[in-house]
Amino acid sequence: DGGITQSPKYLFRKEGQNVTLSCEQNLNHDAMYWYRQDPGQGLRLIYYSQIVNDFQKGDIAEGYSVSREKKESFPLTVTSAQKNPTAFYLCASSELAGVTDTQYFGPGTRLTVL
Amino acid sequence: GDSVTQMEGPVTLSEEAFLTINCTYTATGYPSLFWYVQYPGEGLQLLLKATKADDKGSNKGFEATYRKETTSFHLEKGSVQVSDSAVYFCALSGGGADGLTFGKGTHLIIQP
Repeated sequence: DGGITQSPKYLFRKEGQNVTLSCEQNLNHDAMYWYRQDPGQGLRLIYYSQIVNDFQKGDIAEGYSVSREKKESFPLTVTSAQKNPTAFYLCASSELAGVTDTQYFGPGTRLTVL
Repeated sequence: GDSVTQMEGPVTLSEEAFLTINCTYTATGYPSLFWYVQYPGEGLQLLLKATKADDKGSNKGFEATYRKETTSFHLEKGSVQVSDSAVYFCALSGGGADGLTFGKGTHLIIQP
């Protein structure tokens, strides 16, 4: 089955630690995205990537980092600089940014800072 | 910049009631419009889309019509079921590389 996988589903982090969230897609999509979801605030864009080895900051990139070394993978690192990282994180992909527009989402990772 | 406004929730209805969730947008040019649905603890699933004015998207009994004159894309369903309980997001794409702009979501609760 084609789709997007995210792991882990639940993640707990101590203050001061960096953690990395995995996102993998086998849809052969060029573009990938990371969103943060907080209750009552909808989705906010963290980072996006249109092509391998290139990525751009979204609206709330501070305290996060990404890499795009392979087309199918777009991991997100939540660093200790992110002051309020507890949230639900969603990864998405689309065929080509700005062309077909439709984004397909993974099941999400819920991060909790202890 | 682009923005999407949708009605605040929660919206509570009885089973078999008629559903309308309002969505209006602000955008330059001619955006594509989307409705996504999110069930508890899951990611978003595309429900329907429309890419130009007067297009009607439909899926699983849900419909929405792209109204350019009123900059709206209201979601409707004639008879809701308990299984429709979820959070519904309206979104637009202006064709830019940064993807979609989302509304804040509307939590729908259907009571038996």
